[in-house]
Amino acid sequence: DAGITQSPRHKVTETGTPVTLRCHQTENHRYMYWYRQDPGHGLRLIHYSYGVKDTDKGEVSDGYSVSRSKTEDFLLTLESATSSQTSVYFCAISENKGVSGSIQYFGAGTRLSVL
Amino acid sequence: LAKTTQPISMDSYEGQEVNITCSHNNIATNDYITWYQQFPSQGPRFIIQGYKTKVTNEVASLFIPADRKSSTLSLPRVSLSDTAVYYCLVGDPRTPLVFGKGTRLSVIA
Repeated sequence: DAGITQSPRHKVTETGTPVTLRCHQTENHRYMYWYRQDPGHGLRLIHYSYGVKDTDKGEVSDGYSVSRSKTEDFLLTLESATSSQTSVYFCAISENKGVSGSIQYFGAGTRLSVL
Repeated sequence: LAKTTQPISMDSYEGQEVNITCSHNNIATNDYITWYQQFPSQGPRFIIQGYKTKVTNEVASLFIPADRKSSTLSLPRVSLSDTAVYYCLVGDPRTPLVFGKGTRLSVIA
């Protein structure tokens, strides 16, 4: 998985509680991404980061926040978990070499259930 | 971001060549075409990327016509282990890419 570790791999939580998912990389790649994947929707981008403390929203960012204080770590926080946030969350990294092309490498995913 | 259209599903027998075509009529000059493969319970995995003409690696070939409004991923002699979802992405690599729903390929013995 290209030096990407997601933790936890599985989590069950209750509605209304905050949840933080962690993505750790050992590749020193500049770009990091958080996606969620639900049946019938494919992968949808939540937030991404283009450097330490530089983040931006994706297409489904409501209810989520992110932080990146170090190159290797990208945290996704569900401020108050809801059942609609039950999903599989994937972290990805890329070097994003500009016009010469870019490849994203994905972690193994975190399966989150909000009851 | 260029929108892509690809078949929802395809079936193939083992040993056959599989071609999955992706339409991207509004592809921009800086856009690359990238294909990913995803197995159940795993994250997507890069297969191949191209800008124009033909690209080949040890896994697949990517054919891109001159107008770049479509592309075809070719998987030679598929096996049961090629059963997966295949995503076609088009975009400027300097910006986040958008995954669609992909093509679910089922390989039958």
